[in-house]
Amino acid sequence: DAGVIQSPRHEVTEMGQEVTLRCKPISGHNSLFWYRQTMMRGLELLIYFNNNVPIDDSGMPEDRFSAKMPNASFSTLKIQPSEPRDSAVYFCASSRDSPEAFFGQGTRLTVV
Amino acid sequence: GNSVTQMEGPVTLSEEAFLTINCTYTATGYPSLFWYVQYPGEGLQLLLKATKADDKGSNKGFEATYRKETTSFHLEKGSVQVSDSAVYFCALTGDTGRRALTFGSGTRLQVQP
Repeated sequence: DAGVIQSPRHEVTEMGQEVTLRCKPISGHNSLFWYRQTMMRGLELLIYFNNNVPIDDSGMPEDRFSAKMPNASFSTLKIQPSEPRDSAVYFCASSRDSPEAFFGQGTRLTVV
Repeated sequence: GNSVTQMEGPVTLSEEAFLTINCTYTATGYPSLFWYVQYPGEGLQLLLKATKADDKGSNKGFEATYRKETTSFHLEKGSVQVSDSAVYFCALTGDTGRRALTFGSGTRLQVQP
């Protein structure tokens, strides 16, 4: 099994630009999670989907952030416009009818 | 709401020393408890878990026991190795069907040869 696949691994962008992060969950998993990791705030849940439907998006910081899951094998997290305070490592994780989640390697985003 | 409190790091030990990383939690009902490990530049990996009171999770020489009376899930290892150097996160999911993890702040472990 290839595990959860995230792309890109690293992204450097200028303030004001649109950024799209991508995630492919493990095949057969029905829950998908986006987390953000920063030194100041640690690991925070941004949003999670169950069977492609957003269940809890209360962690999404503001309207600049949006997430979609058009099918069971793909999800995107978009930031538009990006700001320097969005710099962080963004993790995608998936699970199947279990509290145990499997994480991708993360996307390190730097907004300059 | 749910929360997890971990001891602050970094924790620096010599090889073969005994390790304890404290973790306490606040949650309603009967959460599931986890320890995840993050090696430099990588994502989080599940280290061990326990889903009910008095369960002991174990993996790779690490152990943690779900103590409901003290709301704790301390991580222990009898003899650490340099390869155990990483950041360790305690986490929980609630028992209400919400499967998202609530994480502690993480504890960095450095093992010196």
